[in-house]
Amino acid sequence: EVQLVESGGGLVKPGGSLRLSCAASGFTFSSYSMNWVRQAPGKGLEWVSSISSSSSYIYYADSVKGRFTISRDNAKNSLYLQMNSLRAEDTAVYYCARDREYSPFDYWGQGTLVTVSS
Amino acid sequence: DIQMTQSPSTLSASVGDRVTITCRASQSISSWLAWYQQKPGKAPKLLIYKASSLESGVPSRFSGSGSGTEFTLTISSLQPDDFATYYCQQYNSYFLTFGGGTKVEIK
Repeated sequence: EVQLVESGGGLVKPGGSLRLSCAASGFTFSSYSMNWVRQAPGKGLEWVSSISSSSSYIYYADSVKGRFTISRDNAKNSLYLQMNSLRAEDTAVYYCARDREYSPFDYWGQGTLVTVSS
Repeated sequence: DIQMTQSPSTLSASVGDRVTITCRASQSISSWLAWYQQKPGKAPKLLIYKASSLESGVPSRFSGSGSGTEFTLTISSLQPDDFATYYCQQYNSYFLTFGGGTKVEIK
């Protein structure tokens, strides 16, 4: 069974940093591109970042470019999101999601809440 | 970036109704469109990919159509479990974008 489990969320002050993790199981992690998607409270979905299976290709939404860094460790079946210079508008539930050929986001984690507030 | 516009933003319907949600792209995305269902407090669930392909395990009352810039999600006979928010998403570009969502409410 495919499982994605996010962790690392919490309360952080504006300007602070946080590192999210996503532990994957039930599939060959190293064969799939992975993504982070977020959802602000009461709002819609926003794609944040994507990373290819071998980390060769990385993309970011303009809203986080230069502040967030996506990475992965295929030996540990883990995906990461390093978030720096956090702002109030980064407050959201952050989901990791798997890509499949011809289809994005076929599996999602349960999400982890990041709250940026003083 | 490619903008995705969904309509309506809210839809009131009854069990058994046929429901149609529209999604328009700001430029052609061929058939690179997916639909998701999200219930409160839960992660989204993939329903349709490549505009009209039904994800495994999704009931056949859900269907998708369209190409280019205009797409629709149809629920042929609304069931109690279908009251949720639905999102379209384009993946023609590496910079992925979602529609604003359509909340399907009980009439």
